[in-house]
Amino acid sequence: AQSVTQPDIHITVSEGASLELRCNYSYGATPYLFWYVQSPGQGLQLLLKYFSGDTLVQGIKGFEAEFKRSQSSFNLRKPSVHWSDAAEYFCAVDSSGGYQKVTFGIGTKLQVIP
Amino acid sequence: DTEVTQTPKHLVMGMTNKKSLKCEQHMGHRAMYWYKQKAKKPPELMFVYSYEKLSINESVPSRFSPECPNSSLLNLHLHALQPEDSALYLCASSQGGAGTYEQYFGPGTRLTVT
Repeated sequence: AQSVTQPDIHITVSEGASLELRCNYSYGATPYLFWYVQSPGQGLQLLLKYFSGDTLVQGIKGFEAEFKRSQSSFNLRKPSVHWSDAAEYFCAVDSSGGYQKVTFGIGTKLQVIP
Repeated sequence: DTEVTQTPKHLVMGMTNKKSLKCEQHMGHRAMYWYKQKAKKPPELMFVYSYEKLSINESVPSRFSPECPNSSLLNLHLHALQPEDSALYLCASSQGGAGTYEQYFGPGTRLTVT
């Protein structure tokens, strides 16, 4: 069965510092991978996705992620964090072969300090 | 227009009430989803509609009854709910059809069952 692991439940960074949020997946073939962000009490917004091709994908709000098959990872990065980036970040995988069944990781809560 | 709207934003209902949640999108998407999200947890898939037909039911109790009247609308009918059903209910839509596509989420309905 597919699964997604986000090992960091909570991360605190200083504004202007770099950020890396970790995501590992468990699936035999190449999965379809997503990063979503959720502000408190809000819906989810897609930051970026990886389906195939270039393993370094660029997203919105200055985020990027790199797919590493050898490590079964899809880590999210941002070179300089802004206070408005404070939110919950979910890694997700769709390995249902086109049946739109997405499994979300437990989420990483990002706190940004001035 | 890349917006998914949900009404109401908040709902308080007793265990004997009948209520409905509504979701609407005008992006021409043919797949629509209901998710349940408890506090500090990731969204959990409940139902998927593809081309107005129910394609996935994640063993959801019958007190939740989905309905897709047309390609733009998705309802979730609620009856005889339990306090543990209190959660944020998220609707999403995607392009649908064969393949995997990113999902666009609404802001959610915050449901409290008393």
